[in-house]
Amino acid sequence: DTAVSQTPKYLVTQMGNDKSIKCEQNLGHDTMYWYKQDSKKFLKIMFSYNNKELIINETVPNRFSPKSPDKAHLNLHINSLELGDSAVYFCASSPQAIFLDSPLHFGNGTRLTVT
Amino acid sequence: KQEVTQIPAALSVPEGENLVLNCSFTDSAIYNLQWFRQDPGKGLTSLLLIQSSQREQTSGRLNASLDKSSGRSTLYIAASQPGDSATYLCAVRSGNTGKLIFGQGTTLQVKP
Repeated sequence: DTAVSQTPKYLVTQMGNDKSIKCEQNLGHDTMYWYKQDSKKFLKIMFSYNNKELIINETVPNRFSPKSPDKAHLNLHINSLELGDSAVYFCASSPQAIFLDSPLHFGNGTRLTVT
Repeated sequence: KQEVTQIPAALSVPEGENLVLNCSFTDSAIYNLQWFRQDPGKGLTSLLLIQSSQREQTSGRLNASLDKSSGRSTLYIAASQPGDSATYLCAVRSGNTGKLIFGQGTTLQVKP
């Protein structure tokens, strides 16, 4: 199936731990994104990579570090997890950053719970 | 700074009704506007994308309109069905930054 896939789907961990979320897309897209959806369902962009290059870096704590080993993968590593990091994290992709008229395709999300 | 607002936050209708979801944005400098559907525990499914030069887009029972000058979009759902129950999100692609900026969604419940 062509899709944006994220792992894990659920992640429960304790404060202070370090965790990673993985994302892969087989749509042949050049651009990938990480979005955070808080408890009020509000979706906000965190990062965007175009062909492995960081192009959007919102005001996100530097405990969050994205890594793109190739244009089909964008992983999110979070250090020293805090309670406020609990949210659903969505990965998305689109054909190319300059093609702003293309729709984004989203993964099913990773629900992170920090206890 | 672009802000996107969706009203109402929640809506409950009986099956078969036609309904309209509203989206407004503060900065008319947009590339496009996209409507998504989100089911509980799932990701976002793109429903319709309207380019800034377009006035509307249709897909099946869904029709989305765009009035860029007034900063408004509507999503019209005809003959609603229980399977339409979900959260509907509106997002604008900012003309200045290229970022996709979301509203907080309207949660729709269609009762059989």
